[in-house]
Amino acid sequence: DAGVTQSPTHLIKTRGQQVTLRCSPKSGHDTVSWYQQALGQGPQFIFQYYEEEERQRGNFPDRFSGHQFPNYSSELNVNALLLGDSALYLCASSSSWTGRDQPQHFGDGTRLSIL
Amino acid sequence: DQQVKQNSPSLSVQEGRISILNCDYTNSMFDYFLWYKKYPAEGPTFLISISSIKDKNEDGRFTVFLNKSAKHLSLHIVPSQPGDSAVYFCAASALRIFGNTGKLIFGQGTTLQVKP
Repeated sequence: DAGVTQSPTHLIKTRGQQVTLRCSPKSGHDTVSWYQQALGQGPQFIFQYYEEEERQRGNFPDRFSGHQFPNYSSELNVNALLLGDSALYLCASSSSWTGRDQPQHFGDGTRLSIL
Repeated sequence: DQQVKQNSPSLSVQEGRISILNCDYTNSMFDYFLWYKKYPAEGPTFLISISSIKDKNEDGRFTVFLNKSAKHLSLHIVPSQPGDSAVYFCAASALRIFGNTGKLIFGQGTTLQVKP
């Protein structure tokens, strides 16, 4: 049973570029959340997708956008990259309307480096 | 504004002894708390959770204690094993703020090293 898978594993971009990160949820899960983890910090909630719609958003600028597909997979897009966007981007999935009944499962993340 | 704080960046204990990891929170609306463990190059893995209606929850070697009046929770690992060496994150959720989305607010993490 495949868990949450993210691609790519690592990515190097330069300032001003755009990036797309991908996530496939654990089998049976229909809700996907994205988190940003800066070095030495805990993960910070970016947004969550359910039924192909953004359901909740954290304190991130509009440069961060997302999408969920009918097969529940998701993309995170970041435009006009800044040096401060360098971080580990984590995808988490869950299978119930509330992540509280079934704790979210995390992927291994995409390490994004901005030069 | 750091609503969930783990004030100890690191902790070192001897194998077989107890590990106690602490977490403080500021928002009294938080009503559900979780602990995740993270190994290098892997995503966080769920360990144990506790609802605000309880003050203790046990799962094998792991016990979480919640003190609502102090806005403090702790994770006890007994006995500690070298394989427990990892970064531990506490996280909080609030049904009345975030609805049923399960949005989590994480602390900064504590690196636990268990020495053989």
